[in-house]
Amino acid sequence: NAGVTQTPKFQVLKTGQSMTLQCAQDMNHNSMYWYRQDPGMGLRLIYYSASEGTTDKGEVPNGYNVSRLNKREFSLRLESAAPSQTSVYFCASSPRMGSSPYGYTFGSGTRLTVV
Amino acid sequence: GQQLNQSPQSMFIQEGEDVSMNCTSSSIFNTWLWYKQDPGEGPVLLIALYKAGELTSNGRLTAQFGITRKDSFLNISASIPSDVGIYFCAGLNYGGSQGNLIFGKGTKLSVKP
Repeated sequence: NAGVTQTPKFQVLKTGQSMTLQCAQDMNHNSMYWYRQDPGMGLRLIYYSASEGTTDKGEVPNGYNVSRLNKREFSLRLESAAPSQTSVYFCASSPRMGSSPYGYTFGSGTRLTVV
Repeated sequence: GQQLNQSPQSMFIQEGEDVSMNCTSSSIFNTWLWYKQDPGEGPVLLIALYKAGELTSNGRLTAQFGITRKDSFLNISASIPSDVGIYFCAGLNYGGSQGNLIFGKGTKLSVKP
């Protein structure tokens, strides 16, 4: 099925460990995004990539890095995980940032726990 | 930065009842979107609104883009158990952060059979 695929679905890390969350879309979208969702906080933008070859910080970028590997793939890396990074992470994509249609397509999320 | 105030935060209603939720902002938005998130899944787009005053329906869902461009509401008529989930509003300002959507904090809907 066409859409946004995230891996892994679940992950438990120890404080200080590193990991990379993977995201791939097969809709030929130009723009991709990483959000985190915490109870009562809604969706907060971590990083985004308006187009292949570009990345920019969102609202809460500290502690994260991203790589837009190619048009399809956008990864999120935690270099040294902290308990405050326990969250559900969503990847999303859209045809082109700032242009109609504006709706984002979301993946099903990665549930990360840092102990 | 820009923020959306979404209310109510949660609702617990009887099956068959109508539901109403809204979002307000201190800033003008050019586009309003409404998403639904089922438990354990990512948000899915329900309705998109592009013009001030626009009223759009999608089955039992109706959403409106406020005349002032600073608010939007979503109504669900005759709720059913599968309406359970979290509903998010999202706004887009063409002149804002390079076109990023701004999300409300969500309205959690619970439906009692």
